[in-house]
Amino acid sequence: QKEVEQNSGPLSVPEGAIASLNCTYSDRGSQSFFWYRQYSGKSPELIMFIYSNGDKEDGRFTAQLNKASQYVSLLIRDSQPSDSATYLCAVKKDTDKLIFGTGTRLQVFP
Amino acid sequence: EPEVTQTPSHQVTQMGQEVILRCVPISNHLYFYWYRQILGQKVEFLVSFYNNEISEKSEIFDDQFSVERPDGSNFTLKIRSTKLEDSAMYFCASSRGANQPQHFGDGTRLSIL
Repeated sequence: QKEVEQNSGPLSVPEGAIASLNCTYSDRGSQSFFWYRQYSGKSPELIMFIYSNGDKEDGRFTAQLNKASQYVSLLIRDSQPSDSATYLCAVKKDTDKLIFGTGTRLQVFP
Repeated sequence: EPEVTQTPSHQVTQMGQEVILRCVPISNHLYFYWYRQILGQKVEFLVSFYNNEISEKSEIFDDQFSVERPDGSNFTLKIRSTKLEDSAMYFCASSRGANQPQHFGDGTRLSIL
């Protein structure tokens, strides 16, 4: 079982729609959860982080965490073509390292 | 907005040669990291560094690898004798604290011939 699992996609949504990206993790000891955006050939860019169960909103982005189900998601409202990228879910336990998933490729079409 | 800077952006080296990748973390950050991403694969942790010593390292970070903070601003990753499989993007990251978000630099593309 992979430590962090994401559907590789692509997830295709029309401009203006809500994109929903999902991630599951295997270790119940995981404490911190991060979403990074990575454009092709570029570095991961931090989008959101969440530590507690529930929702956390920042602009068009909402992160949702459900520790009982070992599930974290990212919602992008009013999706724009510029949101087209690979979204990486990363999980941190009580150690230093981030454990990344393989990413979900999002395509927003006009 | 402060950012992590990495040099060079692209390094081409013959197999068996030594390479040094350089990073300037965000100035008020205390924790430093190196990750790598082989083309088409996921980002993988290599090492973390705090208070002038390694705090954690992965299985990838074997005796061929070393890290150093030679002065108050730079953080370096050295690969002593490069192998073909070391070809990857290498990302430096830093964070203000142990449980704070990690911010990544633009990366160094390392190509081993």
